[in-house]
This record gives sequence, structure tokens and C-alpha cells, in this order.
Amino acid sequence: DADVTQTPRNRITKTGKRIMLECSQTKGHDRMYWYRQDPGLGLRLIYYSFDVKDINKGEISDGYSVSRQAQAKFSLSLESAIPNQTALYFCATSDFGMGGPGELFFGEGSRLTVL
Amino acid sequence: GQNIDQPTEMTATEGAIVQINCTYQTSGFNGLFWYQQHAGEAPTFLSYNVLDGLEEKGRFSSFLSRSKGYSYLLLKELQMKDSASYLCAVTSNDYKLSFGAGTTVTVRA
Repeated sequence: DADVTQTPRNRITKTGKRIMLECSQTKGHDRMYWYRQDPGLGLRLIYYSFDVKDINKGEISDGYSVSRQAQAKFSLSLESAIPNQTALYFCATSDFGMGGPGELFFGEGSRLTVL
Repeated sequence: GQNIDQPTEMTATEGAIVQINCTYQTSGFNGLFWYQQHAGEAPTFLSYNVLDGLEEKGRFSSFLSRSKGYSYLLLKELQMKDSASYLCAVTSNDYKLSFGAGTTVTVRA
């Protein structure tokens, strides 16, 4: 089984619908992240959490919200989906290492299409 | 914030060497990562540099010059399976990781 699991893996929805992407991890890491990936733009940080009581906005948080339900779970919500939120979404975890951020471990991705 | 630049695409022949450059501008630099991402898959960690110099790991090496805001990833003895996107990422004192747009490397027989 994957250490970082995302559900659903693929989702097609309509404009205005509420969508939740879920992420769970078995690595025991405190830090969790949500990124989106678009062609030509690379990975962009949406939200991140360094522990259960910590939530921080990334560079593109507008239109998104998150919930850190437990150390192992970090969910991303789109309250009212719009077409330009069509993208590949990645959850990632990291530990604190090497005197700074440890490497990121990514889930397999959730492909979201908003019609 | 960070400004990270790397070439969009590179093509090389099997068995050859390819060097992928990455330049960055950031406040409070705290390390540079390289990740590999095959089409349709998640990125996977390749290397981490925080001090100036060359880090070698098998066929892959990564170099960092902090004073120049410059890094490169060197792929030697290219194999077909090395066809992928290579992502340069920089972290600052807030420990967030910011990614460049990625370089797609195509290895031809």
C-alpha cells in the first residue's frame, strides 16, 4: 500500500459543486501539503500544515479550504468548483530533517476536471 | 517569494550526458531539491543541496552555487527510462518548497 494515499484519483464535476479531496498518510510525518500542477506552471502550493493545529495558506489558496483532522489526514475542499480549478492535485508529507525541510513524499495525485 | 527558472525541454541520445540548469532568486535560502516526475506519476526525490558543491549519487549529480543562485542536475549514461520531467525546487527559511515549472527530458535511441 502507498504511504500517502489520495482519494478520489479521478473526478469529473460541474461548476458550482462542492468537492473534497482526501489525503491520508502512514509515514508518521507532521507536515502535510496540498499542491496543484498545471502544464507549464509546475507545482504550486495551495495550503500546508505543520501539525494538527496549524494551517497556513500557500501561494494560491483562493477558492480552496483545508482541514487537518488528525496527524495522518489532510483534506482539501473546493466550496464552489470553477473550470480553472481543473488540474492535477498532489498531497505530500515531509518530516523535519537535514536542519531544514525534509524531502517531500507525494501521493499518486487526484485529477479533477470541472466542466 | 521565489523565482525559479529552468529550461522547458531538452532532448538527448541514449548513453549521452545531459545537464539541466536551474537559476533562482529567493530570500532566506535554505536548500535546493531536484525531483523526477514520469508522465502521469507523482514526483520522486532525487537530490538535496544546501552547501556549495557537487553531490553525486550514481548516474545523477547535483551542483549548487549559492552566491550565483544556480544549480544543475547532471544525468550521465542516459537510459530510456530517464525520459521524464525534472523539477527544481527551492526552500526558504519558512520551510515551504517552491517548484520551478520543470524540464521535460526526452531520451532518444
